[in-house]
Amino acid sequence: QVHLQESGPRLVKPSETLSLTCVVSGGSVHNNYWSWIRQPPGKGLEWIGYIYGSGSTTYNPTLRSRVTISGDTSKNQVSLKMSSVTAADTAVYYCAKTNYYYMDVWGKGTTVAVS
Amino acid sequence: SYVLTQPPSVSVAPGQTARITCGGDNIGSKSLYWYQQKSGQAPVLVIYDDRDRPSGIPERFSGSNSGNTATLTISRVEAGDEADYYCQVWHGATDLRVFGGGTKLTVL
Repeated sequence: QVHLQESGPRLVKPSETLSLTCVVSGGSVHNNYWSWIRQPPGKGLEWIGYIYGSGSTTYNPTLRSRVTISGDTSKNQVSLKMSSVTAADTAVYYCAKTNYYYMDVWGKGTTVAVS
Repeated sequence: SYVLTQPPSVSVAPGQTARITCGGDNIGSKSLYWYQQKSGQAPVLVIYDDRDRPSGIPERFSGSNSGNTATLTISRVEAGDEADYYCQVWHGATDLRVFGGGTKLTVL
């Protein structure tokens, strides 16, 4: 059973870069799709983008200019970087194993506040 | 971009049937996925490919998808089913995964 654990700073200053890591256990980053999804307080889910292994990526066009998703097969983890953050980026950020079309295993999420 | 529309809330008494809809342009031509998110927890996939249930999801959860509306049906609703439910599709033209706005299911 795949297990995902997100981690990163809980507080980020406006205009700085948010950096999160998702450690994968019980499965391999290699040859799998991994998505990042976020959920602002009291709001719905927003898909940020995905990476295939440590290679190809697709991003939500609303965030594409500020987001980078990378994969490290040696550490079996995926990462999210989001630049120039504002208060609107305050959210719970989830990492999820992606069966290309949908997210079948989710991490517990990590809360990030921009302030 | 592709838009999925869900009712903000649905209420049902225990033991009754809850139906949560997800509307979208010709949504019946797409595969539909449903997630359950209980308060303070991460989402959990409950339906994939319109009507299939992942291992561990009760048979009380079922799905359908036709025309411009997809429906998640929860039979014999229990207090533990109270949660937010989100529909999701893959929008092939843009390779995006699109979520509906979510529906809060309240068990009376």
